[in-house]
Amino acid sequence: GAGVSQSPRYKVAKRGQDVALRCDPISGHVSLFWYQQALGQGPEFLTYFQNEAQLDKSGLPSDRFFAERPEGSVSTLKIQRTQQEDSAVYLCASSTWGTDTQYFGPGTRLTVL
Amino acid sequence: ELKVEQNPLFLSMQEGKNYTIYCNYSTTSDRLYWYRQDPGKSLESLFVLLSNGAVKQEGRLMASLDTKARLSTLHITAAVHDLSATYFCAVDILRAGQIQGAQKLVFGQGTRLTINP
Repeated sequence: GAGVSQSPRYKVAKRGQDVALRCDPISGHVSLFWYQQALGQGPEFLTYFQNEAQLDKSGLPSDRFFAERPEGSVSTLKIQRTQQEDSAVYLCASSTWGTDTQYFGPGTRLTVL
Repeated sequence: ELKVEQNPLFLSMQEGKNYTIYCNYSTTSDRLYWYRQDPGKSLESLFVLLSNGAVKQEGRLMASLDTKARLSTLHITAAVHDLSATYFCAVDILRAGQIQGAQKLVFGQGTRLTINP
């Protein structure tokens, strides 16, 4: 079956622009996670959804970062007024209840100039 | 705060040799995950270790978990070039009352493995 998909795969933004990154989880997966991976580093947790409810947003680095999952499936991560330090790969992962494995999408590489 | 440390961070080895990657973590957790990442690609799940003493093997890779020592190892046997990748370990934070499948992962820095012919 289809895995986690993300779009766009690459995004170049000028500093100060707003961007929106999309994640399509595996069908039926209740849990959805966003992670940020800086170059040469491991992924770092940003936020977590259970269905449409955002239960943990402790990893969002600033109030410029906003995530939503209004119908409990597709999720969007929005970054307002992008800064150079926002340049990273943004990974989405999904999982289903009762399992321990998170399945990751291919990521969106964001470059802020 | 949960911290996860891997070593080595870089490893260059010859085909046919054996080696071990170590993953230490700072607080109690019963779940440890190993992922593989190829350049420009996403993370592929390799192993999920759920209890003390757990050992799992897939091909030339074997992972083990010692929760008392807060240590996991990923052992590579008779390495081949196809195993060249970056390997991450991750530990979850599953708080009391939280539903399994809801835990967030804390990753190590990754071990970049290069296997030379």
